[in-house]
Amino acid sequence: GAVVSQHPSWVICKSGTSVKIECRSLDFQATTMFWYRQFPKQSLMLMATSNEGSKATYEQGVEKDKFLINHASLTLSTLTVTSAHPEDSSFYICSARDQGPSGSTEQYFGPGTRLTVT
Amino acid sequence: AQTVTQSQPEMSVQEAETVTLSCTYDTSENNYYLFWYKQPPSRQMILVIRQEAYKQQNATENRFSVNFQKAAKSFSLKISDSQLGDTAMYFCAFMKQTTSGTYKYIFGTGTRLKVLA
Repeated sequence: GAVVSQHPSWVICKSGTSVKIECRSLDFQATTMFWYRQFPKQSLMLMATSNEGSKATYEQGVEKDKFLINHASLTLSTLTVTSAHPEDSSFYICSARDQGPSGSTEQYFGPGTRLTVT
Repeated sequence: AQTVTQSQPEMSVQEAETVTLSCTYDTSENNYYLFWYKQPPSRQMILVIRQEAYKQQNATENRFSVNFQKAAKSFSLKISDSQLGDTAMYFCAFMKQTTSGTYKYIFGTGTRLKVLA
């Protein structure tokens, strides 16, 4: 089945620094990837839709200058949290749609990245 | 705007018993998809079952089945012969294609299911 990886699985950074999270589709091409944020015991909140070769589409209330998304290839999207603050601490999950001939509507999730900002 | 509501924050069921998780949604769309995802303690999201809105037949995947009532905008998940490994957070999700051609998923607040030995 389709596999999506995320790196790192967890990261601790100091307030004011930036951290990059990678999301890769390992065995399929994904022109569209999604970035979610999940607070403890809460649901997934869509932050942005990452489109290969074009700008990401951010959801209302998500600061695009703070959460930089780059989707430079069909298998890689990155999320950079710039000038991180403790309130950015959360679990970040990416997902990808398989753009194969089957036209799948399913999204495959990465294992998530736990970010802690001290 | 589309919304997805899961009215049961927590549920428990005895092993081997059957449990039903409820989900309602609000949309004016006619073509869309509905999903149930499972998130175990590892936090890896796992697809349990999906339903296309244009299909009247309820989807079934082994011990998992749905009761899809389009007019009522209801999409419940039934787990039969519950197993300890079914203990997880379950999210109902709605998906539609946007005007720009991409897809957008909206998740419910989740139901925490605990299977008791």
